[in-house]
Amino acid sequence: EAQVTQNPRYLITVTGKKLTVTCSQNMNHEYMSWYRQDPGLGLRQIYYSMNVEVTDKGDVPEGYKVSRKEKRNFPLILESPSPNQTSLYFCASSLQSSYNEQFFGPGTRLTVL
Amino acid sequence: ILNVEQSPQSLHVQEGDSTNFTCSFPSSNFYALHWYRWETAKSPEALFVMTLNGDEKKKGRISATLNTKEGYSYLYIKGSQPEDSATYLCASLDSGGGADGLTFGKGTHLIIQP
Repeated sequence: EAQVTQNPRYLITVTGKKLTVTCSQNMNHEYMSWYRQDPGLGLRQIYYSMNVEVTDKGDVPEGYKVSRKEKRNFPLILESPSPNQTSLYFCASSLQSSYNEQFFGPGTRLTVL
Repeated sequence: ILNVEQSPQSLHVQEGDSTNFTCSFPSSNFYALHWYRWETAKSPEALFVMTLNGDEKKKGRISATLNTKEGYSYLYIKGSQPEDSATYLCASLDSGGGADGLTFGKGTHLIIQP
């Protein structure tokens, strides 16, 4: 089944404790990205990747890192999480770019205390 | 960052009725307009990707139109069913460079009442 998977689905952590949210797709997509969803706001892009070893900042990249060592994986790293990073996070992938329809993962609900 | 507006914010519709809602986006440097359907506790799923002015796309009882000159798109649902209850997101993509990402609106939350 073609899909985007994310882990963990739910996470409660404390300020400053490094964490990684994994994202994997099995559709051989070139483009992957991370979004966050906060109440009263639209989905906002954090980082995106056009291909392996190519990543770039989205609209809200502060406090996040990503890597794209393999085509299928695009982990989101929070080196020192803070409460303002409490949010619902979505990973998405598409054939080549943000022009193509995006396939979203199931979401990760992160709470930073 | 583009300004993408959706209206109304929420909508209650009786089962069987038809409905529509709006997405407004900057018309300058327009490149593409996406519609997604987002059911509670699930992830957004693509409905349409539209690029041409005057384009109309249809998927079952759901259709969408696009006016790139004035910067708006309508989503129509004919004969609403309870399973149509969801948040409908639109997202615009421009060709102006910068972050290569979609700018999403806040969504229209649709509730179909039996």
